[in-house]
Amino acid sequence: EPEVTQTPSHQVTQMGQEVILRCVPISNHLYFYWYRQILGQKVEFLVSFYNNEISEKSEIFDDQFSVERPDGSNFTLKIRSTKLEDSAMYFCASSEAGGWETQYFGPGTRLLVL
Amino acid sequence: AQKITQTQPGMFVQEKEAVTLDCTYDTSDPSYGLFWYKQPSSGEMIFLIYQGSYDQQNATEGRYSLNFQKARKSANLVISASQLGDSAMYFCAMSRQGAQKLVFGQGTRLTINP
Repeated sequence: EPEVTQTPSHQVTQMGQEVILRCVPISNHLYFYWYRQILGQKVEFLVSFYNNEISEKSEIFDDQFSVERPDGSNFTLKIRSTKLEDSAMYFCASSEAGGWETQYFGPGTRLLVL
Repeated sequence: AQKITQTQPGMFVQEKEAVTLDCTYDTSDPSYGLFWYKQPSSGEMIFLIYQGSYDQQNATEGRYSLNFQKARKSANLVISASQLGDSAMYFCAMSRQGAQKLVFGQGTRLTINP
């Protein structure tokens, strides 16, 4: 069964460093998403991406964040200068279409900023 | 704005019993989708079931069913014949037509006792 994959599973970084989180969405899906979940809290939407551009973003997704689809399979989230409060689980998701089409999530990348 | 409320932070159930996890939502949109996801201790988000706002019948997927009461704005998840492997966090989420983001509730931690 097709699934969303994410690498790395865990990443530890120093405050102020740049990190890139990688995702491979399900191959026939057209919409891609990033969410984050701070430990013990609910899952929060960051950004959605369709047709090589951001289609929706939350107020969390400020200038420190960027997304890219560098080739036909990968989808990345970059955090330019990490802060302590960026420590969270980051989930990539994909769906065949937008609206209320089911979003399938990857296993997540646990990011720890020291 | 959309809002999801899950009022049960924790539930404890005996194995093989049925369990209902509560979810209420608030939206002014006429069209929306409701979802339930399971998050085991390993951290991944697993899609369980979907209900569209215009669906006449309650959704079912194996042991999972969604008790959708539109007038009450509730979308409770029912798990029949619970198993030890059902122990996890369960999140209710919604999306609306024209938007890509999922809005999540705070989650309910379900523990199945042998």
